[in-house]
Amino acid sequence: GENVEQHPSTLSVQEGDSAVIKCTYSDSASNYFPWYKQELGKRPQLIIDIRSNVGEKKDQRIAVTLNKTAKHFSLHITETQPEDSAVYFCAASLARAGNYQLIWGAGTKLIIKP
Amino acid sequence: EAQVTQNPRYLITVTGKKLTVTCSQNMNHEYMSWYRQDPGLGLRQIYYSMNVEVTDKGDVPEGYKVSRKEKRNFPLILESPSPNQTSLYFCASRGQGAASTGELFFGEGSRLTVL
Repeated sequence: GENVEQHPSTLSVQEGDSAVIKCTYSDSASNYFPWYKQELGKRPQLIIDIRSNVGEKKDQRIAVTLNKTAKHFSLHITETQPEDSAVYFCAASLARAGNYQLIWGAGTKLIIKP
Repeated sequence: EAQVTQNPRYLITVTGKKLTVTCSQNMNHEYMSWYRQDPGLGLRQIYYSMNVEVTDKGDVPEGYKVSRKEKRNFPLILESPSPNQTSLYFCASRGQGAASTGELFFGEGSRLTVL
């Protein structure tokens, strides 16, 4: 069946360095790729998403890139800060007529070392 | 304030004692869903609902029931809870149709322990 693989499961980076989390999806028809951030004890919240008609999207220190040929997309966080410590989930979906049924990655725990 | 509200937030119960976790949203969203979150397994969908009176199984529906009698409410029912249903549960909602951005809005979570 459809699945999304997310790597690494844990990522530890020095404060100020960059972090990259990668997801690979299996359904080539997928066209919507969101990233959610879950801080400790909190709910997941959308931080950025990308659709298959673009290759990259940025929002301040975070960016997402999409490679449709290779069926993978990545989250990039630059100049990491302590508040970036969280679990990050990627997902993929075939968005059709406003209907999105997400397939989730297993999550990446990002640790920012001071 | 736009929100998804779950209750209870924390619950300890015993095997076999029926319980209901309520979920309510005030954003007039058509789509609602329940997830469970377990360490290393991410978010697994239990049930979802595209609209009133329409529900479908997700990836892990066994041992759970849902109902969608009203647009704003989507309760999760555990008829006979077992210890393997000890987990963190999230309700989520989003809009549907051309105006939807696809963003899921999550409740604060309900931590359930079944002894």
